[in-house]
Amino acid sequence: LAKTTQPISMDSYEGQEVNITCSHNNIATNDYITWYQQFPSQGPRFIIQGYKTKVTNEVASLFIPADRKSSTLSLPRVSLSDTAVYYCLVGPWGGYNKLIFGAGTRLAVHP
Amino acid sequence: DVKVTQSSRYLVKRTGEKVFLECVQDMDHENMFWYRQDPGLGLRLIYFSYDVKMKEKGDIPEGYSVSREKKERFSLILESASTNQTSMYLCASSPVPGQGTRAEAFFGQGTRLTVV
Repeated sequence: LAKTTQPISMDSYEGQEVNITCSHNNIATNDYITWYQQFPSQGPRFIIQGYKTKVTNEVASLFIPADRKSSTLSLPRVSLSDTAVYYCLVGPWGGYNKLIFGAGTRLAVHP
Repeated sequence: DVKVTQSSRYLVKRTGEKVFLECVQDMDHENMFWYRQDPGLGLRLIYFSYDVKMKEKGDIPEGYSVSREKKERFSLILESASTNQTSMYLCASSPVPGQGTRAEAFFGQGTRLTVV
């Protein structure tokens, strides 16, 4: 399984755009990239998933360069409620995916 | 809505007790997972099951076992509870991705286990 590296923590202010980058240098051809969000005392929840280029949904955008060795989660105009831990996961498309979480990035949004 | 239900929200057990944590999902997912989460350490995978009666060790299986006799139920067993197993335990399930189905994991509300 490809190992991922993310910043341990980030700080931002309300209304700003936040970009969290994840490094996954040994990503395999059949791996896809998924981001989860976790609030205190809750289980993680899915945010966005992609394989290459750009994916956008109502919550976030995911940018994946051509070499796929990194990915960037972009949160537009964050609010206080976006304060959470964000996890980047890389794993194969298919049934056998162990879903290995790293330590994640702790995002703190300030007023 | 997909639901993953863990049998207890809070549990207090004594050292040496055999502890069962139960998890049930209602979406016919093939994959189920048990994690523990400790401050500053993120989620660590204990065991993974990709089918009934099939299991794989995760990163920290020592001191734990699992059982999956039915597709919807995945049990985590602490054979002899110890104080270093005090933690938040999270169960999750996910489908095999396919046409129109993304590989998204759904988590239960967690069980905070204290071993005294």
